[in-house]
Amino acid sequence: AQKVTQAQTEISVVEKEDVTLDCVYETRDTTYYLFWYKQPPSGELVFLIRRNSFDEQNEISGRYSWNFQKSTSSFNFTITASQVVDSAVYFCALSVPYGGSQGNLIFGKGTKLSVKP
Amino acid sequence: EPEVTQTPSHQVTQMGQEVILRCVPISNHLYFYWYRQILGQKVEFLVSFYNNEISEKSEIFDDQFSVERPDGSNFTLKIRSTKLEDSAMYFCASSSGGVGGETQYFGPGTRLLVL
Repeated sequence: AQKVTQAQTEISVVEKEDVTLDCVYETRDTTYYLFWYKQPPSGELVFLIRRNSFDEQNEISGRYSWNFQKSTSSFNFTITASQVVDSAVYFCALSVPYGGSQGNLIFGKGTKLSVKP
Repeated sequence: EPEVTQTPSHQVTQMGQEVILRCVPISNHLYFYWYRQILGQKVEFLVSFYNNEISEKSEIFDDQFSVERPDGSNFTLKIRSTKLEDSAMYFCASSSGGVGGETQYFGPGTRLLVL
């Protein structure tokens, strides 16, 4: 069975602090994809990043960085120098394609990040 | 930049009524999805659609639900006889073809309230 766990339900930080959102996934498949989505208060789901299981390179995009570690089945997301606009719910998701299908997204419960000025 | 659109943004209906939620996926995408999010909870997969047929569905997607691609642009989700527990945000998503695990881009959602 596949599962995504985001143990942090809510995190509150003050602007300019760094914050790391944890994501632990479970799958027995060797080919899978991991994603992060942002859901701001307006409600839409905004794609942030996609990684495949064969690429463990960390990625940095501006103030955002992602740490993928297969040894611990984790795909953590760090925001450096947080800003009020980063306030949102962040979802980690797993996709396991099979039999020619793209694979549906299995979401974690999300972490609500509040950045205070 | 191409995006997924959904209509209506909000829908209020009476229990037992039929509702149709509409989506226009990104034009060159081949895979289409519906997800739902009950207020304050995680996003749950309902169904995926490819080549004019359902490719995968979850336990939530029972006989009360159906999907259709009536023309070359729209993708719809129909709930035949709504229940109170169908109240949720419904998201449409689409992805391109590929080796698998392609990024799914989401629409803004339709908030459905069943009274």
